[in-house]
Amino acid sequence: GESVGLHLPTLSVQEGDNSIINCAYSNSASDYFIWYKQESGKGPQFIIDIRSNMDKRQGQRVTVLLNKTVKHLSLQIAATQPGDSAVYFCAELPNAGNMLTFGGGTRLMVKP
Amino acid sequence: GAGVSQSPRYKVAKRGQDVALRCDPISGHVSLFWYQQALGQGPEFLTYFQNEAQLDKSGLPSDRFFAERPEGSVSTLKIQRTQQEDSAVYLCASSQQGFNSPLHFGNGTRLTVT
Repeated sequence: GESVGLHLPTLSVQEGDNSIINCAYSNSASDYFIWYKQESGKGPQFIIDIRSNMDKRQGQRVTVLLNKTVKHLSLQIAATQPGDSAVYFCAELPNAGNMLTFGGGTRLMVKP
Repeated sequence: GAGVSQSPRYKVAKRGQDVALRCDPISGHVSLFWYQQALGQGPEFLTYFQNEAQLDKSGLPSDRFFAERPEGSVSTLKIQRTQQEDSAVYLCASSQQGFNSPLHFGNGTRLTVT
């Protein structure tokens, strides 16, 4: 399939290590945030979301942290596996907005 | 269906041709979205439907782009007189309730204009 993210920032981690992917969002009025995973040739896949009244939310092997003071979002993946290799996008929705806006993406490469 | 389905998977068009891209959303999802994704970039919003009503088309890049969802289910994105800059992956997504619930994406249609 076609390659996604030929010129994206890349994070390379060893299998089994934890990964942290960061995202700086632009709109201080955003109140809903989503992390998506996109594998080559596929559409973005929902991972986890968080609303602005929270600063942390956990899922299965993933944690999202939200720092509204500095407009920063991060995705932590525990015990990273080869299947986690993909491009990760953060997306934000402004309060009362009607357009989910995506960031530029980070490529995660997991070394066996 | 189990997920959002898009067809065709790949489309090659000669400059000037018209194309039509189809999206079948998840059954029962009221909201449907079209995004455009250029190589190496994040998806960019094109347009949004709530049932059959097109509530926002502010992202459509020109009047050559037209989207419809006449019965509130299947949607078609039409591009007239295609140009090389239209080459991209066109992603469709659906959700239960607008942007405030997670968008579920299809695998997209990769359009190449030669």
